Amino acid sequence: DGGITQSPKYLFRKEGQNVTLSCEQNLNHDAMYWYRQDPGQGLRLIYYSQIVNDFQKGDIAEGYSVSREKKESFPLTVTSAQKNPTAFYLCASSMTSPLNYGYTFGSGTRLTVV
Amino acid sequence: KNQVEQSPQSLIILEGKNCTLQCNYTVSPFSNLRWYKQDTGRGPVSLTIMTFSENTKSNGRYTATLDADTKQSSLHITASQLSDSASYICVVSQFTGTASKLTFGTGTRLQVTL
Repeated sequence: DGGITQSPKYLFRKEGQNVTLSCEQNLNHDAMYWYRQDPGQGLRLIYYSQIVNDFQKGDIAEGYSVSREKKESFPLTVTSAQKNPTAFYLCASSMTSPLNYGYTFGSGTRLTVV
Repeated sequence: KNQVEQSPQSLIILEGKNCTLQCNYTVSPFSNLRWYKQDTGRGPVSLTIMTFSENTKSNGRYTATLDADTKQSSLHITASQLSDSASYICVVSQFTGTASKLTFGTGTRLQVTL
């Protein structure tokens, strides 16, 4: 079955550590996205990529980094520069055609700073 | 400023009852409006997508309406079931010519009880 897989489901980070969240899709989608979800707030865009080896900052990119070396994969690194990383992180993918309306989300990674 | 506001923030209803969730937006230019269902600790799943010209769209017991003139949408759930307990998120999309930009509402938390 086609889908988008995020791992791990739960992740704990110590102060000062970098951690990487995995996102893999087998939907043959061109575009991939990372969102952050906090209680009482709408999803906020961190980074997005429309093509391999290219990505753009979203609204809250500070303290995060990404790479897009393969079409299927879009890992997100939460660096020590991100001062409040505890949140629920969602990865999504879509075709880039303007006629396409479908975004598929992964099941999320909950990151907690300990 | 592009905004999506949802009401109520939370709602408790008895199983079998109907309910209506509201979404008001100020996003412009408008491309489409989506309703997602998000179970706790999971990624959002698409329920309906409507473009400017569509007034109503149904997906089983879920019916979404759109009034593009007043920039309002509603999601009506008929004969609610315990499995409808989730957050319902309204998302408005803009197409900028090169990419779609999504603005997320904060969601309505629905609890269906016996």
